[in-house]
Amino acid sequence: RKEVEQDPGPFNVPEGATVAFNCTYSNSASQSFFWYRQDCRKEPKLLMSVYSSGNEDGRFTAQLNRASQYISLLIRDSKLSDSATYLCVVNIPGGSYIPTFGRGTSLIVHP
Amino acid sequence: NAGVTQTPKFRVLKTGQSMTLLCAQDMNHEYMYWYRQDPGMGLRLIHYSVGEGTTAKGEVPDGYNVSRLKKQNFLLGLESAAPSQTSVYFCASTPAGGTDTQYFGPGTRLTVL
Repeated sequence: RKEVEQDPGPFNVPEGATVAFNCTYSNSASQSFFWYRQDCRKEPKLLMSVYSSGNEDGRFTAQLNRASQYISLLIRDSKLSDSATYLCVVNIPGGSYIPTFGRGTSLIVHP
Repeated sequence: NAGVTQTPKFRVLKTGQSMTLLCAQDMNHEYMYWYRQDPGMGLRLIHYSVGEGTTAKGEVPDGYNVSRLKKQNFLLGLESAAPSQTSVYFCASTPAGGTDTQYFGPGTRLTVL
């Protein structure tokens, strides 16, 4: 079992739709969780950190469920410009905490 | 402030050739990382460094070596390139501690024929 798993999609949604992605992790001692956005053939860029209490940034909401070991990302009122791959990152304990990426979830927003 | 830069941006090698990829950051970050990204595979950690003069293996270290002689630079070497090393290579850095936000370079696209 991979340490960080995501549904690769693609999620194909119309503009204005609400879409949610989950990311599960296997190590219960994991710390620090993030969502990154990656556009085609570009470097990943931080979308938002995920806090235990949940956090919101405009149309984006991230939540952490430690009991079930998953994080989620909710996008409301989808825009064409939201089309991208969304990567979850979980810091897994080793000698130091190691950022471990999921495979990414592809989102396509169509008119 | 350039952030994280990578040199070169593109490279084509023949099997058995060697090369070094350079990652430089001007943010005084302690931690630096090298990843490779293959289609459908996400980013996989090759090697990382928690400070100047230190390096450690990641998930897929075979066939690669690294050095961190200066805090701002992290070099990734391929001693004898193989077609399986055809990939996009990303470098990243974090201020301090593996739990910080990562800042990525623009990537190096390497093809090994």
